[in-house]
Amino acid sequence: GQQVMQIPQYQHVQEGEDFTTYCNSSTTLSNIQWYKQRPGGHPVFLIQLVKSGEVKKQKRLTFQFGEAKKNSSLHITATQTTDVGTYFCAPRSGGSYIPTFGRGTSLIVHP
Amino acid sequence: GAGVSQSPSNKVTEKGKDVELRCDPISGHTALYWYRQSLGQGLEFLIYFQGNSAPDKSGLPSDRFSAERTGGSVSTLTIQRTQQEDSAVYLCASSQDSGNSYEQYFGPGTRLTVT
Repeated sequence: GQQVMQIPQYQHVQEGEDFTTYCNSSTTLSNIQWYKQRPGGHPVFLIQLVKSGEVKKQKRLTFQFGEAKKNSSLHITATQTTDVGTYFCAPRSGGSYIPTFGRGTSLIVHP
Repeated sequence: GAGVSQSPSNKVTEKGKDVELRCDPISGHTALYWYRQSLGQGLEFLIYFQGNSAPDKSGLPSDRFSAERTGGSVSTLTIQRTQQEDSAVYLCASSQDSGNSYEQYFGPGTRLTVT
């Protein structure tokens, strides 16, 4: 079955520093979604990537889908305390409607 | 409009008791998912409903777990003879699952504690 690895598991940064989380799959993906979960909250959809090499930006967030469609990354520029939370990747492969959520990267931003 | 709602928000039960968790998806969403999230962990897929198709139960951890979805809307997750390892947050999500649109909208979850 599909194996998903998300790294790092935790990341401490000073406010203003950049942050990147990576999601790697053992199989070629049909698409990948990213979600953010604030402490005590529920996951909230951020973005979906479908095309090989796709890059999407949302303000300070940049999402990339690898050329081989086996990996993806989320980069946050100049982190703020509001960025605190756990970021999950949720890739799908083949024709499956069921995503395999990564274990998430917990971002801690120190003011 | 209203988002996904779940009830109860918290449930404390004794080991061996049965529990029912409810999910009201967003109106018009044909797909419904149940996940389980243990403290500090990722989301573990449990079951998936799509329209009138047979549900995908491949994620259910044991035969003590079952779920149904009535009228293509409300879903109930039932855990029989609860065990302490069942303690977790149970999340429900719905989506339109049409074309390339698979965005999932999550409910607030039910925190289950088995004592």
